[in-house]
Amino acid sequence: NAGVTQTPKFQVLKTGQSMTLQCAQDMNHEYMSWYRQDPGMGLRLIHYSVGAGITDQGEVPNGYNVSRSTTEDFPLRLLSAAPSQTSVYFCASSYSGQGLARNEQFFGPGTRLTVL
Amino acid sequence: ILNVEQSPQSLHVQEGDSTNFTCSFPSSNFYALHWYRWETAKSPEALFVMTLNGDEKKKGRISATLNTKEGYSYLYIKGSQPEDSATYLCAFHGGGADGLTFGKGTHLIIQP
Repeated sequence: NAGVTQTPKFQVLKTGQSMTLQCAQDMNHEYMSWYRQDPGMGLRLIHYSVGAGITDQGEVPNGYNVSRSTTEDFPLRLLSAAPSQTSVYFCASSYSGQGLARNEQFFGPGTRLTVL
Repeated sequence: ILNVEQSPQSLHVQEGDSTNFTCSFPSSNFYALHWYRWETAKSPEALFVMTLNGDEKKKGRISATLNTKEGYSYLYIKGSQPEDSATYLCAFHGGGADGLTFGKGTHLIIQP
């Protein structure tokens, strides 16, 4: 199993550009989520999904869009990049059995994004 | 926004010494408490998922306890080794429809 994969690893954007961060998992996990990690802030939840066709907002959703058309993929779209979106982005997935939060999350390797 | 606090923020420990640090979380609506280990340039990896008051979990030299009534969890490392150097994250879930709320982590440095 590849686990959770993310592409690209690094990206530099100009203000106003749009792009999609890709996330895929091959563990048949129902739950997938996106976090951003900023110095001194810890991991903050952007969006999450409890299954294909279902998405919801986390703590910091503004400026981001997600979709979940398949169980495996959960892309994160930046609609119009801003310098405040410079961050490291992590995708995570987990099994939903025994209750959503009672299963460990598996994290991808991260995407380091810089918006100029 | 839930308040999940970890202390201390950073910690220097001599190799061979034992250490512990704290995660504080809301004592109401508890559902689960996670601990993750995050090495530099890698992704967070799960250590423990704890769900019951009084839970104690152990993995090798690392163990954790949980007190949901007072809203804290301790992570213990016995006989610290250089490879234990990492940031240790706790994450709280209050049973709502949303995801985990992470603390800012304790950055542990083991000095040879």
